[in-house]
Amino acid sequence: TQLLEQSPQFLSIQEGENLTVYCNSSSVFSSLQWYRQEPGEGPVLLVTVVTGGEVKKLKRLTFQFGDARKDSSLHITAAQPGDTGLYLCAGAQGGSEKLVFGKGTKLTVNP
Amino acid sequence: GAVVSQHPSWVICKSGTSVKIECRSLDFQATTMFWYRQFPKQSLMLMATSNEGSKATYEQGVEKDKFLINHASLTLSTLTVTSAHPEDSSFYICSANKVETQYFGPGTRLLVL
Repeated sequence: TQLLEQSPQFLSIQEGENLTVYCNSSSVFSSLQWYRQEPGEGPVLLVTVVTGGEVKKLKRLTFQFGDARKDSSLHITAAQPGDTGLYLCAGAQGGSEKLVFGKGTKLTVNP
Repeated sequence: GAVVSQHPSWVICKSGTSVKIECRSLDFQATTMFWYRQFPKQSLMLMATSNEGSKATYEQGVEKDKFLINHASLTLSTLTVTSAHPEDSSFYICSANKVETQYFGPGTRLLVL
């Protein structure tokens, strides 16, 4: 059983379109992180959310942490080819420093 | 942010040899580092938690005698793949914790022939 369900697994869209990636769980997380990874490289941190209901914006990216801290979403506005990559959500539980990862969303933005 | 480096970035070795991968936190100290393995088109799989000054904690199914971890200082953890075989070929990534956030290294591509 996957602790963090991430969807969709694959997404191919045209430049300029909007998209949302979801990360859902039945468990509560003390914090949740979103990463973007390109082939052959390590994941790069985009944002960390720690407060239920929190919304953070990073240029065209909007991240939301659910009120109950069980789910999160990433919304990209007017996607660009440079947004192409693997997006990973990862959550930490309780006092543990270990992260639980979703399976990732492979995003392709076509010019 | 925080910077984590890995060395080497890629390595090719013969079956039966051992390979050491280094993970360094460059601008912060990390009492805890993590080692992951990633197969093509898949997410990260946690192998073990590396604790400075003490034994590593391995995830279920990961052989501790196969994947030796040493965390001798607050900025360096090493992963040694002993007697490597072709099935050990993978992308190995380390991370270090800083203030509730894990920062990842660039990864090491291992190919065992």
